[in-house]
Amino acid sequence: GQQVMQIPQYQHVQEGEDFTTYCNSSTTLSNIQWYKQRPGGHPVFLIQLVKSGEVKKQKRLTFQFGEAKKNSSLHITATQTTDVGTYFCAGVGPNVVGSQGNLIFGKGTKLSVKP
Amino acid sequence: NAGVMQNPRHLVRRRGQEARLRCSPMKGHSHVYWYRQLPEEGLKFMVYLQKENIIDESGMPKERFSAEFPKEGPSILRIQQVVRGDSAAYFCASSPSAMLDNEQFFGPGTRLTVL
Repeated sequence: GQQVMQIPQYQHVQEGEDFTTYCNSSTTLSNIQWYKQRPGGHPVFLIQLVKSGEVKKQKRLTFQFGEAKKNSSLHITATQTTDVGTYFCAGVGPNVVGSQGNLIFGKGTKLSVKP
Repeated sequence: NAGVMQNPRHLVRRRGQEARLRCSPMKGHSHVYWYRQLPEEGLKFMVYLQKENIIDESGMPKERFSAEFPKEGPSILRIQQVVRGDSAAYFCASSPSAMLDNEQFFGPGTRLTVL
């Protein structure tokens, strides 16, 4: 079945350093969503990418969707302690019949930021 | 507008007992999704429901697990004869429509511990 892989699993950075997490799908995706989960919290939607090669920015966060729509990345510039949490990508393939709700989540990248 | 509500937030059960997890979607949302999250893992899709209908239950174990979303009242995820392996965080999410290009709004989760 379809799989979504995310690397790295953990990332420890010094405050002010950049951070990137990568997401790869075994099949072409119709869209990809990114979520953030703070420790002990619940996933919170960050963004959705739909178009091939799409790039979206939210302040220090930059999201990219690959040309082949099989990979995506999230880049954080100059991390802050408030960025701590686990970042998940979630995607769904095209032509998903009978699985309309089946968002496939990656296992996430857990970011820790040392002040 | 209250967000997605889940209760209880924490639930402790002994092996063999039943666990009932409740989810009230956001106002105006008629689509509910249940996910399970093991420690240090991503979210695994379990079931997708619309009012009075199960749309996709491809991620739900065939035995001991059931879900419903009645016309009135919250969605219920029911786990019969719980085992230690059922210990996890169970998140409910809702969205306003069936289209997968809508973000899903997550509840705070129910942390189930099976002794």
